[in-house]
Amino acid sequence: SQQGEEDPQALSIQEGENATMNCSYKTSINNLQWYRQNSGRGLVHLILIRSNEREKHSGRLRVTLDTSKKSSSLLITASRAADTASYFCATDEGFQKLVFGTGTRLLVSP
Amino acid sequence: SAVISQKPSRDICQRGTSLTIQCQVDSQVTMMFWYRQQPGQSLTLIATANQGSEATYESGFVIDKFPISRPNLTFSTLTVSNMSPEDSSIYLCSVGGTPTGEQFFGPGTRLTVL
Repeated sequence: SQQGEEDPQALSIQEGENATMNCSYKTSINNLQWYRQNSGRGLVHLILIRSNEREKHSGRLRVTLDTSKKSSSLLITASRAADTASYFCATDEGFQKLVFGTGTRLLVSP
Repeated sequence: SAVISQKPSRDICQRGTSLTIQCQVDSQVTMMFWYRQQPGQSLTLIATANQGSEATYESGFVIDKFPISRPNLTFSTLTVSNMSPEDSSIYLCSVGGTPTGEQFFGPGTRLTVL
């Protein structure tokens, strides 16, 4: 499976601003999941969106999915310094094997 | 979600040696996976750990280099054999098979090979 692409590779914003990250993938999927990773540690699961869903919310997170364009976006509203991390999208192309995107490094400055 | 632990959390090893990483889950799970994250990179699936049978490896990964065991529904091991500096990575186990399709990851094992 080919790795998905994420953009931007890096994003630097101020606290209180919104952060948007985009993910593109190449094949049909069952679902798409977003994860956060702090300083090379384990991955924290943020949200899952199924292939038949177009938008999903969880707290300050909003995820969209456009299967016709094979793309997804993650919006973090009212960002905080604690949101500083790397964010990855991952697609389930079958059998729950995840194909990860290249990741976005988010820096939120106080 | 399941609580997943990994041991060791980090290790520094010499070239040519082997290291076995353990993954323990606090509940029975149907699916367990092993991923590698090379420095500054994203995650790549190594294999699916199958309970009671041989693991299923992804392209580019072989059993001789990364033998995997899964004796029951809560435990799995990954061995990195005959290590070289190129094996320096974070190794993560994950569990799936949840009713909602979510997959959860352990804290990872940071391996440095000198």
